[in-house]
Amino acid sequence: EVQLVESGGGLVQVGGSLSLSCAASGFTFSNNWMGWVRQAPGKGLEWVANIQEYGSEIHYVDSVKGRFTISRDNAKNSLFLQMNSLRAEDTAVYYCAREMKRDYGPFDHWGQGTLVTVSS
Amino acid sequence: EIVLTQSPDTLSLSPGERATLSCRASQSVSTSLAWFQQKPGQAPRLLIYDASNRATGIPARFSGSGSGTDFALTISSLEPEDFAVYFCHQRWSWPLTFGGGTRVEVK
Repeated sequence: EVQLVESGGGLVQVGGSLSLSCAASGFTFSNNWMGWVRQAPGKGLEWVANIQEYGSEIHYVDSVKGRFTISRDNAKNSLFLQMNSLRAEDTAVYYCAREMKRDYGPFDHWGQGTLVTVSS
Repeated sequence: EIVLTQSPDTLSLSPGERATLSCRASQSVSTSLAWFQQKPGQAPRLLIYDASNRATGIPARFSGSGSGTDFALTISSLEPEDFAVYFCHQRWSWPLTFGGGTRVEVK
């Protein structure tokens, strides 16, 4: 069974940093693109970043470029999101998600999410 | 950036009725369009990918159609567990985007 378990969320002040992790199990982690999607309280879904199977291709939404860094450790079946210079508008539940093992995904498995609250 | 516009915002229907949800893209996404269902406090669940393919374990009452810029998700006969929020998502080009969602509520 595919499982994705996020951790690392919490309360941080504006301008601060936070590091999220996602532990994957139940599949061959290095076979899939992975990504982060966030959802502000009461709002819709916003894609944040994706990383190719071996990290050779990475994409970000414009609003986090230069502040967030996605990475992965295939040996540890783990996905990461380093978030720096946090803003109030980064407050959201952050989901780790796996893309289908094919061109053009999409996300077929999601974690339960971890809440990041950025307070001013 | 490809903008996905979903309509209506809210659909009020009774169990057993047919639901048709729309998603329009600001430019062509070919058939690289997915639909997700989300219930309160839960992560999204993939229903449809490639515009019309049901994901594993998704009941046959869910169907998707469309290509290019106009897409639809149809639930042929609403079950109590289908009342939720539905999002469309394009995987055609970066940045990836989601529609704003359609809430299907009990009338």
